[in-house]
Amino acid sequence: DADVTQTPRNRITKTGKRIMLECSQTKGHDRMYWYRQDPGLGLRLIYYSFDVKDINKGEISDGYSVSRQAQAKFSLSLESAIPNQTALYFCATSETGTGEKLFFGSGTQLSVL
Amino acid sequence: TQLLEQSPQFLSIQEGENLTVYCNSSSVFSSLQWYRQEPGEGPVLLVTVVTGGEVKKLKRLTFQFGDARKDSSLHITAAQPGDTGLYLCAGDYNTNAGKSTFGDGTTLTVKP
Repeated sequence: DADVTQTPRNRITKTGKRIMLECSQTKGHDRMYWYRQDPGLGLRLIYYSFDVKDINKGEISDGYSVSRQAQAKFSLSLESAIPNQTALYFCATSETGTGEKLFFGSGTQLSVL
Repeated sequence: TQLLEQSPQFLSIQEGENLTVYCNSSSVFSSLQWYRQEPGEGPVLLVTVVTGGEVKKLKRLTFQFGDARKDSSLHITAAQPGDTGLYLCAGDYNTNAGKSTFGDGTTLTVKP
């Protein structure tokens, strides 16, 4: 079983719809992250959380929100999806005090029509 | 915003050739990571470097961290088709700040 699991793997939706991407982990890590990957732009940080009560905006948080339901669960929501949110989304975890060694899920490919 | 530049963006070589990928910044890293990503999967951590001048080896891969901790390189010896993938460097500019900045990646294709 994967240590970091993302659901769904693929999603096609229409402009204006609300979408939730889910992430769960069995690594026991405190820190969880949501990244977005676009061709030629690497990975950009959307939101991150250092523990259940800690939520922080990343460099591209506009249009997104998150919820840290438990240590093992971190979900990303698009309240009203738009076409330029079409991208590959990754959830990642890291362990406090180990430097920025990130462990990634397999990603969710989101297409907004 | 911290910028982290990777070069080249694309690299296509024949099996058996050597190659080097570069990662540069104008700012000092507290640590730097290299990841490899295959299509349809998330990035997988290859190595972390922390000390200026550090050299780490992982089979045919050699990672160097610049003395000033502003740059790094990844050298692959005798590349194989299995090395094909997207190579990403990521830097942490503040110790334990919890945020990594990623380069745009180098897409490597190794032809048999």
